[in-house]
Amino acid sequence: GDSVTQMEGPVTLSEEAFLTINCTYTATGYPSLFWYVQYPGEGLQLLLKATKADDKGSNKGFEATYRKETTSFHLEKGSVQVSDSAVYFCALTLVDYGGSQGNLIFGKGTKLSVKP
Amino acid sequence: EPEVTQTPSHQVTQMGQEVILRCVPISNHLYFYWYRQILGQKVEFLVSFYNNEISEKSEIFDDRFSVERPDGSNFTLKIRSTKLEDSAMYFCASRWRALTDTQYFGPGTRLTVL
Repeated sequence: GDSVTQMEGPVTLSEEAFLTINCTYTATGYPSLFWYVQYPGEGLQLLLKATKADDKGSNKGFEATYRKETTSFHLEKGSVQVSDSAVYFCALTLVDYGGSQGNLIFGKGTKLSVKP
Repeated sequence: EPEVTQTPSHQVTQMGQEVILRCVPISNHLYFYWYRQILGQKVEFLVSFYNNEISEKSEIFDDRFSVERPDGSNFTLKIRSTKLEDSAMYFCASRWRALTDTQYFGPGTRLTVL
């Protein structure tokens, strides 16, 4: 079935370090890909998305490129801040128009802690 | 900026009781969802709702669960005969129209079943 696999954490980095969180997916249709972020005690917020192959989503210094050939959507940031400490979820939704209702399939989440 | 709201933020109930979790989706959105997140685990899809009916549901959404949009603004999740394993954070989400449109999530309701 359709699924998302992301690297398990926790990931601990020093401020200004480079961040990569790996995400790969398995999908029978044509997925759109998302990264959501969950700050402590809060709900899920969309961080970025990409709806077709080779699209790059970006927001707040974070980037991810939809790679169909490697079925990946890795999240990167060049210089993390303490305020980036959160749980990051990779997710997909199928866009096959044949019955999908757009529900999101999430990975397990990666907890990021950034130390000053 | 429009947002999805949920009430209550925390609900404590005794096993076997019924609970209703409430959500107010973004006003012009057409698709509505419930997800849950058991502590420390991934977010799981429960049900999607469109045009006043359930359009898709997961295995988790058994016959103890029901959803309703009673008045054109609220979207509720009812759980009857609650079990200990229903304890989780429940998130409501809404989406405008296209499958590629962003789903906006509410802040969640933490349900604790004792």
